[in-house]
Amino acid sequence: GAVVSQHPSWVICKSGTSVKIECRSLDFQATTMFWYRQFPKQSLMLMATSNEGSKATYEQGVEKDKFLINHASLTLSTLTVTSAHPEDSSFYICSARDRDSYYGYTFGSGTRLTVV
Amino acid sequence: GQNIDQPTEMTATEGAIVQINCTYQTSGFNGLFWYQQHAGEAPTFLSYNVLDGLEEKGRFSSFLSRSKGYSYLLLKELQMKDSASYLCAVRDHPGTALIFGKGTTLSVSS
Repeated sequence: GAVVSQHPSWVICKSGTSVKIECRSLDFQATTMFWYRQFPKQSLMLMATSNEGSKATYEQGVEKDKFLINHASLTLSTLTVTSAHPEDSSFYICSARDRDSYYGYTFGSGTRLTVV
Repeated sequence: GQNIDQPTEMTATEGAIVQINCTYQTSGFNGLFWYQQHAGEAPTFLSYNVLDGLEEKGRFSSFLSRSKGYSYLLLKELQMKDSASYLCAVRDHPGTALIFGKGTTLSVSS
């Protein structure tokens, strides 16, 4: 079946630095990628939707200059958390829209970001 | 606005049956999904309903009533490994992102 490879699985960074998270779709073309954030004991909250070759659409309350999303190819989307702070510590998950899948969505394995 | 409600926590014993309810109020409806999520891991797909009725898949079944904005996930013959968070999610329009409920944490004891 369709697989989305997400890296890194976990990362610890210092406050003020930037972190890049990659999601690659294997065996299929991900024209749309959804980025979610999940705080402890809470559900997945949509941050942004990106379509290949165009600018991402951000949900209300999500700073587009802080969370940079690039979807330059049909198989790769990246999320860069710029100038990270401890409150950005969270679990970030990507989800690709797979038109060949009956269910339509394939999730990455998630990235645990800890900012110290 | 979009709203998806499900109980926060449930407990059950091994071998029992548990039903997790979900009610939704969304601007549109294009399918309801159930996912299982263990702590620190990505969600795992369990079921998908777009038409009214019951979908059965082994020990897990999911029911949908679009007129009532209601779904439930039924887990039979519970096992300890079923202890996890269960997420109800709705797709309001084709091709859009899933909207997730807050999840129900299920604890299965022996």
